[in-house]
Amino acid sequence: SYELTQPPSVSVSPGQTARITCSGDALPKQYAYWYQQKPGQAPVLVIYKDSERPSGIPERFSGSSSGTTVTLTISGVQAEDEADYYCQSADSSGTYTVFGGGTKLTVL
Amino acid sequence: EVQLVESGGVVVQPGGSLRLSCAASGFTFDDYTMHWVRQAPGKGLEWVSLISWDGGSTYYADSVKGRFTISRDNSKNSLYLQMNSLRTEDTALYYCAKDNGAPHPQYYFDYWGQGTLVTVSS
Repeated sequence: SYELTQPPSVSVSPGQTARITCSGDALPKQYAYWYQQKPGQAPVLVIYKDSERPSGIPERFSGSSSGTTVTLTISGVQAEDEADYYCQSADSSGTYTVFGGGTKLTVL
Repeated sequence: EVQLVESGGVVVQPGGSLRLSCAASGFTFDDYTMHWVRQAPGKGLEWVSLISWDGGSTYYADSVKGRFTISRDNSKNSLYLQMNSLRTEDTALYYCAKDNGAPHPQYYFDYWGQGTLVTVSS
């Protein structure tokens, strides 16, 4: 079965830049999406179609894609950005939706 | 304002059955594909199933195929998940999620409910 691989954790100090990667063989063919989930809350879409930002999401959130890896970048990290982040995409056939294992972002 | 409100989660024994419901409001429900996504305690997200706007197409994760059935009633703006032959590994918070695209699905989720907890335990 298809898998997306994320680092389990990333730590940054406030004001620094956090980069969270997601790797998968089908990513050159399929869009990636990113969700933020804070404790006890439902996920929130922060990036769609690799690099688009939904309305209401701060400009410090951006996404990029290169080959089999997509990256969520949070510039000027704030304490409120501490959360779990999940990438999501589809297998090469587009049949199955999959999530990465999630990355816990800690703001030191 | 889009709202998705799940219900029906309870404690059930292994091998048992359960039906989850999701009441939708704030958007034209019958325009959109809908999904169920689950999250086991302390674990990551897992896509479970989707249903097209008219109910004509359904898809399932391999982990639930043959045991779960997704359905919808557009007259009631409601989404359902019938869960049979439940296993301990089905224990999770089950989210109802709206697909972004209409009329064609985009296979990502722009609105989520708050989830309903299903616990499978003897």
